[in-house]
Amino acid sequence: AQKITQTQPGMFVQEKEAVTLDCTYDTSDPSYGLFWYKQPSSGEMIFLIYQGSYDQQNATEGRYSLNFQKARKSANLVISASQLGDSAMYFCAMRDFNSGYSTLTFGKGTMLLVSP
Amino acid sequence: DAGVTQSPTHLIKTRGQQVTLRCSPKSGHDTVSWYQQALGQGPQFIFQYYEEEERQRGNFPDRFSGHQFPNYSSELNVNALLLGDSALYLCASSWVGGENTGELFFGEGSRLTVL
Repeated sequence: AQKITQTQPGMFVQEKEAVTLDCTYDTSDPSYGLFWYKQPSSGEMIFLIYQGSYDQQNATEGRYSLNFQKARKSANLVISASQLGDSAMYFCAMRDFNSGYSTLTFGKGTMLLVSP
Repeated sequence: DAGVTQSPTHLIKTRGQQVTLRCSPKSGHDTVSWYQQALGQGPQFIFQYYEEEERQRGNFPDRFSGHQFPNYSSELNVNALLLGDSALYLCASSWVGGENTGELFFGEGSRLTVL
């Protein structure tokens, strides 16, 4: 069975600094995808970044990058130059391709607070 | 181009009642998945609809049912509501040809409170 582990319930960072949010995963399937979502207090799940298991390079999207270490089964999110608007819950999720269906397994999330 | 839209955004029901939540997928998407997110938890997969049929289901009782219409929009129905059904219900849309990509987007959710 798939499992996503986010060990940091909360993280604090000062504005303009970089922060890393940890995510480890467990799957026996060779083909999978890893997602990071941001969820502000409004509830919407906002897509940030995606990494396929066969992608050769780490994914980047603006200030977001994914530090993908396949052998260690980790997919940490790095946010550079934090902004006050980055304060939110962050979820790591995995999609299993073997089933052929695009369903996601989520971690419990990390609350990020950015201070001035 | 509208993203994933859900309605209603908030609703309050009492135990034993029934509720229907609605979702319109992003344009070009043909697959709709529903997730339940309890307070302080990550979302849990309920079920997924494609071509008007439920093609995968998570660990939820039969009180949870759904439907997909020819225009790809979807409904989630919950019967005999329990206090524990209080949660944020999220709809996600994707397209079958995009299974190997990151194209999976969520709506803003419907927040259900059961009293």
